[in-house]
Amino acid sequence: DVKVTQSSRYLVKRTGEKVFLECVQDMDHENMFWYRQDPGLGLRLIYFSYDVKMKEKGDIPEGYSVSREKKERFSLILESASTNQTSMYLCASIPSGGADTQYFGPGTRLTVL
Amino acid sequence: TQLLEQSPQFLSIQEGENLTVYCNSSSVFSSLQWYRQEPGEGPVLLVTVVTGGEVKKLKRLTFQFGDARKDSSLHITAAQPGDTGLYLCAGPTSGTYKYIFGTGTRLKVLA
Repeated sequence: DVKVTQSSRYLVKRTGEKVFLECVQDMDHENMFWYRQDPGLGLRLIYFSYDVKMKEKGDIPEGYSVSREKKERFSLILESASTNQTSMYLCASIPSGGADTQYFGPGTRLTVL
Repeated sequence: TQLLEQSPQFLSIQEGENLTVYCNSSSVFSSLQWYRQEPGEGPVLLVTVVTGGEVKKLKRLTFQFGDARKDSSLHITAAQPGDTGLYLCAGPTSGTYKYIFGTGTRLKVLA
C-alpha cells in the first residue's frame, strides 16, 4: 500500500515561533507538494519539489520555505508563524512519467495563537 | 490564470436521492480528476477523465468530461450516507506536475 505520512495531525503554535511540518512518502516518487486548505478557497499550492534539493514556488509561497534533502522527505517551514497561517496543511506526492494520481497524506491542522 | 469553479458549494440530501456536482473552467484541461476527502483525511483519487466527452462509471458514481475539455460533472445515483464528504475536482497546469483544485462541494447524505 502506498503511503504518505505527515509528522503531526494537530499542532498548536504561538505567533512568531518557527514551525516545521514534515512529510514522508515510501513510493520513491520524484515530485512532492505542500498545499494549504482553507474553507471556500480549496487547495492552494505553497511549494513543490521535483527532485532532491530542487524546489519551486507555488501560488502562495510567502511566509514559507521548504527543504528536500532526501527523496522521501519534504519539509515545510514557517519561519515566523502568524495567525493567518492557521490552516490545514496537506502533503502530496506523484511519480514522474505522466502518472496522474496524487497521493495525499492525512493532513496537519495547524493553529497559530 | 486557470481556475476551476465547483457548484454547488454545499449539498444536503436524503439517502436514495440523486445528485450532480459540476466543475467548470474557461480553460481547456488535458485531463480532470475527481477526489473525495473525508473529515480528518487527505483527498483520495476517484477517477481521471482524459478524453473530451468521456464517461466513466464507478459503481453509483458517473463522471463525465465535457466535449471541449473545459468542464466535468459527477453524478451520484441513490446516494448513501457513506458518500458524505468533500468532492474536489483538479486539473494539471500545462506542461507541469502542478495541479489546480476546485473549491470543492461538501456533500452530506442523511439516513
